[in-house]
Amino acid sequence: DAGITQSPRHKVTETGTPVTLRCHQTENHRYMYWYRQDPGHGLRLIHYSYGVKDTDKGEVSDGYSVSRSKTEDFLLTLESATSSQTSVYFCAISKSDLNSGNTIYFGEGSWLTVV
Amino acid sequence: KQEVTQIPAALSVPEGENLVLNCSFTDSAIYNLQWFRQDPGKGLTSLLLIQSSQREQTSGRLNASLDKSSGRSTLYIAASQPGDSATYLCAVTNSGNTPLVFGKGTRLSVIA
Repeated sequence: DAGITQSPRHKVTETGTPVTLRCHQTENHRYMYWYRQDPGHGLRLIHYSYGVKDTDKGEVSDGYSVSRSKTEDFLLTLESATSSQTSVYFCAISKSDLNSGNTIYFGEGSWLTVV
Repeated sequence: KQEVTQIPAALSVPEGENLVLNCSFTDSAIYNLQWFRQDPGKGLTSLLLIQSSQREQTSGRLNASLDKSSGRSTLYIAASQPGDSATYLCAVTNSGNTPLVFGKGTRLSVIA
């Protein structure tokens, strides 16, 4: 357990509205990631962060923005939600261990439906 | 660009059978490889992590091997049980904290 909490866990929203998903961690890990998971595509990286106010794009970043104003919170915003953004969104953190290296741990997911 | 492939996409076996799940990656210059389990409607649970300098890792009935030069990893599950039914995902990273690149997973069903 890496102390990751995602909110909301389930949300239905209308096309064109902005949506923000929150990822909260309790262990002060530096690296955090947002992925989306879709049938036939697997898990794809949206954005990631390597520190406060330090973020970078992943392979499916269009239509998404992120912010990290403090270590424990990584926010994912859909600026104007579209039906193609209906998906399950997973937050992850990288936990470093001298013996085992960098292990990635995932949150429980946020199910988003855009109607 | 790193690409990860998992074969087969789905597998159904009787309880008690030993089985192997396969993962291949196109760029052999990986930093580490991680195997995950995902139950329906749930998040991903880390099973095993193999660093690039290692050949295998074991946890209980699970054994993961890594052959970097050939771009392959296998996850061996001994004496399978119905509770092992889940989707198993393989993912690699090419440097320390570079984001993981995932395969699409193998959906395993163990029939009692």
